[in-house]
Amino acid sequence: GAGVSQTPSNKVTEKGKYVELRCDPISGHTALYWYRQSLGQGPEFLIYFQGTGAADDSGLPNDRFFAVRPEGSVSTLKIQRTERGDSAVYLCASSPLGGAGKGTDTQYFGPGTRLTVL
Amino acid sequence: AQTVTQSQPEMSVQEAETVTLSCTYDTSESDYYLFWYKQPPSRQMILVIRQEAYKQQNATENRFSVNFQKAAKSFSLKISDSQLGDAAMYFCAYRRGFGNEKLTFGTGTRLTIIP
Repeated sequence: GAGVSQTPSNKVTEKGKYVELRCDPISGHTALYWYRQSLGQGPEFLIYFQGTGAADDSGLPNDRFFAVRPEGSVSTLKIQRTERGDSAVYLCASSPLGGAGKGTDTQYFGPGTRLTVL
Repeated sequence: AQTVTQSQPEMSVQEAETVTLSCTYDTSESDYYLFWYKQPPSRQMILVIRQEAYKQQNATENRFSVNFQKAAKSFSLKISDSQLGDAAMYFCAYRRGFGNEKLTFGTGTRLTIIP
């Protein structure tokens, strides 16, 4: 079946602008994650959704970052007043289950959106 | 907080040879999972292999195997019969067993395959 998709693949914007990054998870996956990968680094956790609600947003760097998942499927990561330091690859992942139970749920990643803030 | 350390920024191996990538982690949890992900230039993270901490047996997936040393908090990846398609960034990752399900990644090792 189809994997995790992310749009756009690349986004170039100017400092101070607003951007939205979209993630389409694998159909039926209830858990969705956003990560940010800066150049030369491993991905860093931003936020995790279980269904429609944000179960853990402890990784969001500041209040310029916000994410939604209104119908429990597609998610949008929103960045206000972009700064040059926001330039990175934003990765989305989904897994079939989640929450407080034990599990070996694999996170399946999308190809990411490369955001460049000029 | 959990940390994952990959001390080899770059590694290279001759095609058909064996290479081992190192990873150490720090945690106070007793229930957790460890993963190796591969990231080719396409950027998409692909799961290579995973290990449950409660299992003593090392995980194996075809040419890929791990050496999991729980007491030493070490989790290395061995790639046998290296192929050109194995060239990529490899990331070691940790996940607590339940509750908070985020992955914590290391900084990665760039693997080059020499023909």
